[in-house]
Amino acid sequence: QVQLVESGGGVVQPGGSLRLSCEASGFTFNRFGMHWVRQAPGKGLEWVAFIRYDGNNKYYADSVKGRFTISSDNSKNMLFLQMNSLRPEDTAVYFCAKDSIDWSSYGYYSDYWGQGTLVTVSS
Amino acid sequence: EIVLTQSPGTLSLSPGERATLSCRASQSVSSNYLAWYQQKPGQAPRLLIYGASSRATGIPDRFSGSGSGTDFTLTISRLEPEDFAVYYCQQYGSSPYTFGQGTKLEIK
Repeated sequence: QVQLVESGGGVVQPGGSLRLSCEASGFTFNRFGMHWVRQAPGKGLEWVAFIRYDGNNKYYADSVKGRFTISSDNSKNMLFLQMNSLRPEDTAVYFCAKDSIDWSSYGYYSDYWGQGTLVTVSS
Repeated sequence: EIVLTQSPGTLSLSPGERATLSCRASQSVSSNYLAWYQQKPGQAPRLLIYGASSRATGIPDRFSGSGSGTDFTLTISRLEPEDFAVYYCQQYGSSPYTFGQGTKLEIK
């Protein structure tokens, strides 16, 4: 069965950096793109970033563009989100999610989600 | 960027009733690439509908999606106690793949 397990969340000061990881299992990781989606406390879902199955296409929300970098290591079935210049408004639970369509250059809907990791940006 | 507006913000209904949730896009969603998710407190979202009207694997047939272009609807024909949750629409026709702000379905 598909499993996605996020890690790396924690408390960081404004302006700081954090790297989130997502370990994937139960499917052929190098065939599918992956997403990061976040949810601020008590708020709705916000799509953050997408990476193509081979890592060659990446898309970002305007709110994180230039500060966050999505990457993956297909040899280890791992997805990452490098977050720099963090702001209080980046405080959220960050979910990794599997894209539904294999070999696609663009993102589609997400058919499996992890349980999320909490990032708190506060001094 | 496509902005999705969901209505109502909160819907109060009783088990057995019919629920109709709306998602309106600020511009046409390419190929009707519109999905619906259900989220319960403390849980990850769960895919219900994709392509505006196709049910995901394992989703009961009381859930149905319809619509095209800029107007989409999620209908739950007969509410079960486990259906009370927050529902989100998402468009994946163009990046950024935006979500609506959610509709909370609560027990009346």
